Amino acid sequence: AQTVTQSQPEMSVQEAETVTLSCTYDTSESNYYLFWYKQPPSRQMILVIRQEAYKQQNATENRFSVNFQKAAKSFSLKISDSQLGDTAMYFCAFMRGTGSGNTGKLIFGQGTTLQVKP
Amino acid sequence: AAGVIQSPRHLIKEKRETATLKCYPISRHDTVYWYQQGPGQDPQFLISFYEKMQSDKGSIPDRFSAQQFSDYHSELNMSSLELGDSALYFCASARISGSGDEQFFGPGTRLTVL
Repeated sequence: AQTVTQSQPEMSVQEAETVTLSCTYDTSESNYYLFWYKQPPSRQMILVIRQEAYKQQNATENRFSVNFQKAAKSFSLKISDSQLGDTAMYFCAFMRGTGSGNTGKLIFGQGTTLQVKP
Repeated sequence: AAGVIQSPRHLIKEKRETATLKCYPISRHDTVYWYQQGPGQDPQFLISFYEKMQSDKGSIPDRFSAQQFSDYHSELNMSSLELGDSALYFCASARISGSGDEQFFGPGTRLTVL
């Protein structure tokens, strides 16, 4: 069974600074995907960034980037130039590669609450 | 394009009552997922449907059932409600193509059981 662990329940950062959220996972699968989702106070689940396990290059989306260490099963999220609107709960999630027998369900970590301070 | 629609957005029920949550996926999406998020917790997978057939089942109580209809909308039926069923219920849809397709989440239905 796959597990996802986020060991930082809460973090804070000053506006315009950089913060890194940690995530580790456990799986015996070779084909999988990793995601970071943002859940602001509205509770809407918003995809921030995704990483295909077969890609060595770390994914980036504007101010968001990941550090994907496949051997260490680590998948951290770096937020640069933090903005007040980044205040939210962040969930790391794992998904087996879809295909025969794989349905694409997401397995989430416990979440990290990020507070961006002015 | 319209996103995933869930109705109702808020629902208040008494213990032992029944509730029906509805989900309307994005057009041309063939897969629907249901997740339950308790207060202060991460979303937990309940059940999924692909092309109107149940494709996977997670930690869904026997009191819950779900189905996907011919127009691809899905309904989650919950009976004998308990206080512990109070949660945010998300529906997500995707078009499965074998490449880790993004799941698009609806706004959720907040269920409160009194």
